[in-house]
Amino acid sequence: AQSVSQHNHHVILSEAASLELGCNYSYGGTVNLFWYVQYPGQHLQLLLKYFSGDPLVKGIKGFEAEFIKSKFSFNLRKPSVQWSDTAEYFCAVKVDTGKLIFGQGTTLQVKP
Amino acid sequence: DSGVTQTPKHLITATGQRVTLRCSPRSGDLSVYWYQQSLDQGLQFLIQYYNGEERAKGNILERFSAQQFPDLHSELNLSSLELGDSALYFCASSAGRGRNFQETQYFGPGTRLLVL
Repeated sequence: AQSVSQHNHHVILSEAASLELGCNYSYGGTVNLFWYVQYPGQHLQLLLKYFSGDPLVKGIKGFEAEFIKSKFSFNLRKPSVQWSDTAEYFCAVKVDTGKLIFGQGTTLQVKP
Repeated sequence: DSGVTQTPKHLITATGQRVTLRCSPRSGDLSVYWYQQSLDQGLQFLIQYYNGEERAKGNILERFSAQQFPDLHSELNLSSLELGDSALYFCASSAGRGRNFQETQYFGPGTRLLVL
């Protein structure tokens, strides 16, 4: 079955700490992977995406993610978080006709 | 601003009622997707349209239906509403057919539905 699993449901960090959010997917086809962010009260915004090529992808606001095919993983990282990064983060895989399968989401709280 | 618009932003209604949610995709995008976000189910794919035709269905209830019009805007109709239908409903759009295409979905601001 197609699925996405995010390991951390709620993460609390202090400003300047490093961030890594785990994401594992289960899908047998060609993999297109995404990380979206949802700031409080706002809609989903694309952080970064992986289609093919370099498995290390860079996104907006200093985020990056690494696709590791052998581990079926697409973990999100940021070297130094800011208070403004407080949000909910969703990992997603594009399957079949183009629909997205989302993980459960990870709520990140950054303390100033 | 993603370029995807949704109306209304908020909707409060009673059980048993019917509502219509509207979505306008980004200019030039042919595919529209509907998702439901709730606390217990998370983000779930409901249905996809491509250039007026239904392309894929997810866990969409029979009480729910959608369509995409010639001008490419889409409407999601929810009928015989139940308390459990309270959720945030997102629309997303992408350029093409989705399958085997390296394309990104851009999301609208959502419609928050509260069924009392």
